Amino acid sequence: DIQMTQSPSSLSASVGDRVTITCRASQSISNYLNWYQQKPGKAPNLLIYAASSLQSGVPSRFSGSGSETDFTLTISSLQPEDFATYYCQQSYSTPYTFGQGTKLEIK
Amino acid sequence: QVQLVQSGGEVKKPGASVKVSCKASGYTFTRHGITWVRQAPGQGLEWMGWITTYNGYTNYPQKLQGRVTMTTDTSTSTTYMELRSLRSDDTAVYYCARVFSGSFGQFDFWGQGTPVTVSS
Repeated sequence: DIQMTQSPSSLSASVGDRVTITCRASQSISNYLNWYQQKPGKAPNLLIYAASSLQSGVPSRFSGSGSETDFTLTISSLQPEDFATYYCQQSYSTPYTFGQGTKLEIK
Repeated sequence: QVQLVQSGGEVKKPGASVKVSCKASGYTFTRHGITWVRQAPGQGLEWMGWITTYNGYTNYPQKLQGRVTMTTDTSTSTTYMELRSLRSDDTAVYYCARVFSGSFGQFDFWGQGTPVTVSS
């Protein structure tokens, strides 16, 4: 199975900050990497697919980059509604696997 | 608009089975697959498998092979996930999600989640 490792596990930041979350795959997954946002008590929400493609309706302050084994999710200017947990997920091969999550908290 | 509506919460005893439904609307049901993901309390996301809605092909992780079955009813645009021989560590919120039929298989729309509690 492909292991997905996110860093950091948690992060404190302020409104307006630029934030970057990293995801590393245990083997090459090309660009088969998706990012999801989850708020407490809610289902996850797709933000980025294919490593860098912005899902329809997602604000442009979210962006993704990377390929092979190393990927990043960047939020250019944090808004109050962005405080949530973020997960990366590989869709290169089954079993599809998620990172352990990065909890983004208000400083 | 695309919607996935799941059945309500369940409480089951260890060793029992649970069957959760996921009714899709707002798109052509057979054009996209359905996947299931679960989340134990305070934990991350775990992929449980997926089903292609046009022919019922399934793919399950080895961890759940033999205990999980996913089926689909195209007449009602509903997908079902049955988990058998329940244990306490199956306590989780179970989500269905649409698997977009493009190249990357991203999960683009999600159900609201169904909490399942396994307790004696």
